[in-house]
Amino acid sequence: DTAVSQTPKYLVTQMGNDKSIKCEQNLGHDTMYWYKQDSKKFLKIMFSYNNKELIINETVPNRFSPKSPDKAHLNLHINSLELGDSAVYFCASSQDFLGVQGNYGYTFGSGTRLTVV
Amino acid sequence: GQQLNQSPQSMFIQEGEDVSMNCTSSSIFNTWLWYKQDPGEGPVLLIALYKAGELTSNGRLTAQFGITRKDSFLNISASIPSDVGIYFCAGLSSGTYKYIFGTGTRLKVLA
Repeated sequence: DTAVSQTPKYLVTQMGNDKSIKCEQNLGHDTMYWYKQDSKKFLKIMFSYNNKELIINETVPNRFSPKSPDKAHLNLHINSLELGDSAVYFCASSQDFLGVQGNYGYTFGSGTRLTVV
Repeated sequence: GQQLNQSPQSMFIQEGEDVSMNCTSSSIFNTWLWYKQDPGEGPVLLIALYKAGELTSNGRLTAQFGITRKDSFLNISASIPSDVGIYFCAGLSSGTYKYIFGTGTRLKVLA
């Protein structure tokens, strides 16, 4: 069973559209994250939820809205997509909000490659 | 904002060679993590370091938490083709709840 699963794996859409990416973790972790990886492979955190509560909200356009219906799910909705939103979006989870419990760090999903045309 | 610089940015090595890479910052960190990312996949945790001076191994990989707490090092011994990928460091400083990721070291192994 996949520990952190994201859907879809690939998403190609036109500018101006609204799209959602879903993430689920079956590890029993309390904290989930969204990261954006740009074309230079630089990873930057966008949001973090701990037990459904938003704890990190980086400087991200309001067009991006995370939603956590329960602690096993963290979805990302993007409105009015722009060309610059093209990137790989990674969902991740950790046992606690510091990611230091035991030796776990973050567990990442396999990513969603978003292409805006 | 904080930034972690990784060196080298990329490297080609021959199979069987040892590899060294490092991660440096102007800030002090309390935890260092090393990840590997294969093409088309998410990063996977390799080693976690929690104390200054700590040296931890995971198979052919060895990582060290720098004494100054501003750097960390990763060594791979006797590299094999499947070591190809991007290696990221990530640091956590006190008073923050997020890891800062490094710029990545791209490793290519020539058989």
